[in-house]
Amino acid sequence: SQQGEEDPQALSIQEGENATMNCSYKTSINNLQWYRQNSGRGLVHLILIRSNEREKHSGRLRVTLDTSKKSSSLLITASRAADTASYFCATYTGGFKTIFGAGTRLFVKA
Amino acid sequence: SQTIHQWPATLVQPVGSPLSLECTVEGTSNPNLYWYRQAAGRGLQLLFYSVGIGQISSEVPQNLSASRPQDRQFILSSKKLLLSDSGFYLCAWSLGGGDSGNTIYFGEGSWLTVV
Repeated sequence: SQQGEEDPQALSIQEGENATMNCSYKTSINNLQWYRQNSGRGLVHLILIRSNEREKHSGRLRVTLDTSKKSSSLLITASRAADTASYFCATYTGGFKTIFGAGTRLFVKA
Repeated sequence: SQTIHQWPATLVQPVGSPLSLECTVEGTSNPNLYWYRQAAGRGLQLLFYSVGIGQISSEVPQNLSASRPQDRQFILSSKKLLLSDSGFYLCAWSLGGGDSGNTIYFGEGSWLTVV
């Protein structure tokens, strides 16, 4: 089974609202990463948070990590129609593999 | 800067025909290379990864194979395609752990439809 599970599976909001996506995982991790995928395109890395970090910011993105609950959240503030995409969390536990969840599909209505 | 090229972007193949998807990475040396498959509306399934020339690890037993003939070239192949091989195939690279934290960089993907 996949290491990361995103919640919700789909999210629809109005432009200007905040979007929050959650990710839960099962085993200890080195880091957790969030990626974005526009429809029919490759994934693009957004942000990486290490296991000893609790919060990280990048522009309108805010990521939190709670290793005691094995969960992470991605907050996109003041969303725009261009933020419409699928968002994936991915966990790295060492070695050569980064394991991806099933993703959250975000739709931002203009 | 590093770039990754993957081709072809789209292909329609009959059942039983062979497959070859190719990927090359520029601007880095000795990358880890990956092939993922994504079913419609789903997450990514890791198919193969490679940590060096000629070194291939298979994650899922299946109808596909991978090869790495050169440091920055990764090829996904099949001798006889099945309908179930249809999907979106993504090539990717990383520099492993350490500072990069095994961040994965993806190509633009190849849409395969087996008919």
